[in-house]
Amino acid sequence: ETGVTQSPTHLIKTRGQQVTLRCSSQSGHNTVSWYQQALGQGPQFIFQYYREEENGRGNFPPRFSGLQFPNYSSELNVNALELDDSALYLCASSLAGTAYGYTFGSGTRLTVV
Amino acid sequence: GIQVEQSPPDLILQEGANSTLRCNFSDSVNNLQWFHQNPWGQLINLFYIPSGTKQNGRLSATTVATERYSLLYISSSQTTDSGVYFCAVTAGNNRKLIWGLGTSLAVNP
Repeated sequence: ETGVTQSPTHLIKTRGQQVTLRCSSQSGHNTVSWYQQALGQGPQFIFQYYREEENGRGNFPPRFSGLQFPNYSSELNVNALELDDSALYLCASSLAGTAYGYTFGSGTRLTVV
Repeated sequence: GIQVEQSPPDLILQEGANSTLRCNFSDSVNNLQWFHQNPWGQLINLFYIPSGTKQNGRLSATTVATERYSLLYISSSQTTDSGVYFCAVTAGNNRKLIWGLGTSLAVNP
């Protein structure tokens, strides 16, 4: 059983650029959620994808967008990067309709300069 | 919305000591998980425990859903236990995890 994998592990971007982060869900999981964790804070929910559609969104602007693919993997796209977007981005997968919890990837650490 | 409070915010232990971390939540939950975040950012799922008691080696957790709290027990702590411990919940039909601010644990040799 494979866990959740995220790529890249680290990334440095310039303000105004665009970035795409990738996540492969755990085998057997069909739901993917994305979280942003600023330094010293708890993770904040960005959005969740189920059956290739957005299934809930947190308090993030539209320049944060995502995709889920038929194999349940997912992408997080952030346009017009701002300095405050610097954070650890975490992907979590789960199986909808079950009483099991979430499994997290190791995260992508994004630095915007 | 639901609020999650963790205590203490910081904890320093000598190796071998025991500790109890607490998580209070303001409303009924249908999912509660304890996570350990290591210094490299990896979140490790320790327990899925919306109610009852579970044990895994030196760690155990108890959730009393009717009183809206959960406890994480760490016995015979080791330096590798250092990191931040988070409690996170979901409530109602909303599947997003709502997080506490964490307990930062340092275990000294």
